[in-house]
Amino acid sequence: AQKVTQAQTEISVVEKEDVTLDCVYETRDTTYYLFWYKQPPSGELVFLIRRNSFDEQNEISGRYSWNFQKSTSSFNFTITASQVVDSAVYFCAVRTDSWGKLQFGAGTQVVVTP
Amino acid sequence: NAGVTQTPKFQVLKTGQSMTLQCAQDMNHEYMSWYRQDPGMGLRLIHYSVGAGITDQGEVPNGYNVSRSTTEDFPLRLLSAAPSQTSVYFCASSYGAGVTDTQYFGPGTRLTVL
Repeated sequence: AQKVTQAQTEISVVEKEDVTLDCVYETRDTTYYLFWYKQPPSGELVFLIRRNSFDEQNEISGRYSWNFQKSTSSFNFTITASQVVDSAVYFCAVRTDSWGKLQFGAGTQVVVTP
Repeated sequence: NAGVTQTPKFQVLKTGQSMTLQCAQDMNHEYMSWYRQDPGMGLRLIHYSVGAGITDQGEVPNGYNVSRSTTEDFPLRLLSAAPSQTSVYFCASSYGAGVTDTQYFGPGTRLTVL
């Protein structure tokens, strides 16, 4: 069975600071996909990124970047120059089998103050 | 496309009452699933379906029933609500059940059982 650990329950930053969210996963499968979702105060879940286990290239999308390190089973997420609109709960998830099951971490609450 | 829609947005039930949470998608996705979100626990899979007429249990299926008579709809039934079922419920869908398929979530239903 797989497991996802997001050790940071809440992170508070002042606008324009960078913030890094940690995600550590456990799985015995060699093929798996990692995901990040954002849940703003309005409650919906917004898909941010999907990464497969064979691609360790880091990815950047605007102010968002992701660092995938297979050696440490980590898939960390950094928000550069944070903004108030980044305030949300962020979930990391892993998917390993062909039946669609996503295993989520507990989430990290990010609070960005002006 | 409306994407994944859920009704109702909010619901209050008394212990022992029954109700159905509705979920529909207009993206012709084969795979649909139900998750519940509880504080500090992320999202946990309740039931899923890989196509019309096919359903299976997830991590926390007790107390819930599902059926899938059409590709578009995947209702979740609570036959006899219990306070432990107070939660936020999310429906999700994806094109397929493969590891590569990204799941897209509905806006959620906040359920309170008194």
